[in-house]
Amino acid sequence: DSGVTQTPKHLITATGQRVTLRCSPRSGDLSVYWYQQSLDQGLQFLIQYYNGEERAKGNILERFSAQQFPDLHSELNLSSLELGDSALYFCASSVRPEGTYNSPLHFGNGTRLTVT
Amino acid sequence: GQNIDQPTEMTATEGAIVQINCTYQTSGFNGLFWYQQHAGEAPTFLSYNVLDGLEEKGRFSSFLSRSKGYSYLLLKELQMKDSASYLCAVRDATGANNLFFGTGTRLTVIP
Repeated sequence: DSGVTQTPKHLITATGQRVTLRCSPRSGDLSVYWYQQSLDQGLQFLIQYYNGEERAKGNILERFSAQQFPDLHSELNLSSLELGDSALYFCASSVRPEGTYNSPLHFGNGTRLTVT
Repeated sequence: GQNIDQPTEMTATEGAIVQINCTYQTSGFNGLFWYQQHAGEAPTFLSYNVLDGLEEKGRFSSFLSRSKGYSYLLLKELQMKDSASYLCAVRDATGANNLFFGTGTRLTVIP
């Protein structure tokens, strides 16, 4: 168990809808990352937060947004959902944003989103 | 930009040794990670290299050559439970130090 908690585990929704994915980092970790993993695709970096502030953006669509709250949990909001958004969404956390050898990224078990 | 290449699939026999290669081209380099991911599960951290050379951790070792943009993960005494995807990830050297992943190598261990 990595200590990173993601809810829900599974989500099935229709095109055009909006969903919120939740992540609680490991105790003591200040940095949160969101990744998307589609079938047979690598992990695509979406966005990173450090201690409540957005630190970096990757290939995140404008329909997607995220935030990190004062208690350090994070939410990823996906709106106007399309079939192609079906994927596994992983949250990861680390003590520092640098992800060094003694502070690697620890991943949650992911949320499997199915858009029908 | 970032370009990380790994073989898509590999098969090896239980008890054998397998080497999974990773080549990368990134805008700046600040470390390379290997993760293991079983199907539908979370990636788990295996190793980290930032300097050239070999890092050994039990049955797993990872090697890095920065001048060649090359790394490999060596798995010894393969066990059936080692069947998984192995992800190579590179941390760039921009201010955010983000981690970029290859598409992974799916390893199947056969009896």
